[in-house]
Amino acid sequence: QTVVTQEPSFSVSPGGTVTLTCGLSSGSVSTSYYPSWYQQTPGQSPRTLIYSTNARSSGVPDRFSGSILGNKAALTITGAQADDESTYYCVLYMGNGIWVFGGGTKLTVL
Amino acid sequence: QVLLQESGPGLVTPSETLSLTCTVSGGSMSSSYWSWIRQPPGKGLEWIGFIYYTSSNNYNPSLKSRATISLDTSKRQCSLRLSSVTAADTAVYFCARLDSSGHYNFDSWGQGTLVTVSS
Repeated sequence: QTVVTQEPSFSVSPGGTVTLTCGLSSGSVSTSYYPSWYQQTPGQSPRTLIYSTNARSSGVPDRFSGSILGNKAALTITGAQADDESTYYCVLYMGNGIWVFGGGTKLTVL
Repeated sequence: QVLLQESGPGLVTPSETLSLTCTVSGGSMSSSYWSWIRQPPGKGLEWIGFIYYTSSNNYNPSLKSRATISLDTSKRQCSLRLSSVTAADTAVYFCARLDSSGHYNFDSWGQGTLVTVSS
């Protein structure tokens, strides 16, 4: 079964830039997987940040951007702020009506 | 703006069937795809399945046919049934709307409801 991989944790300094990635246990991520990214803080439901690789959801600050870097999808946060400290999940559409979530990356801002 | 609200028993006995309902406010039921996603305590998100108003649906293969999602557009509800539950099914269950314009993302989420499987 395909596994979607994410870094378990990452840290960034306030004002810094961080890139989180989303890969596949076998193969490369491309735009055909329609990668999307979600932000979740404890006790809250996920919030959509990015869809279709690089489209920003309504109301999402432009410091969040999505792309394909090499063989992975990527979420870049430019000018990190304290309230960006959250867990970030990517989801890939595998085709045939199947979606797979990555394990999530817990981002610390310090 | 669409609002989703999950409801159902917070405690289910092992081997029984978990039943949850998602009530939708706003938006069109019949032009959207509806999905269920769960999150065990302290763990990541897991996609369970989706349904379209035509009854087209699909499920996470790992659930081994235990999951059934249904839609009642007249009541504006989407329901999840998960049979033969075990402690491993303890989780917060979210309903979510899938974007219907070809972007394959979950664009609206409910607040989630915690279901504990225990005797």
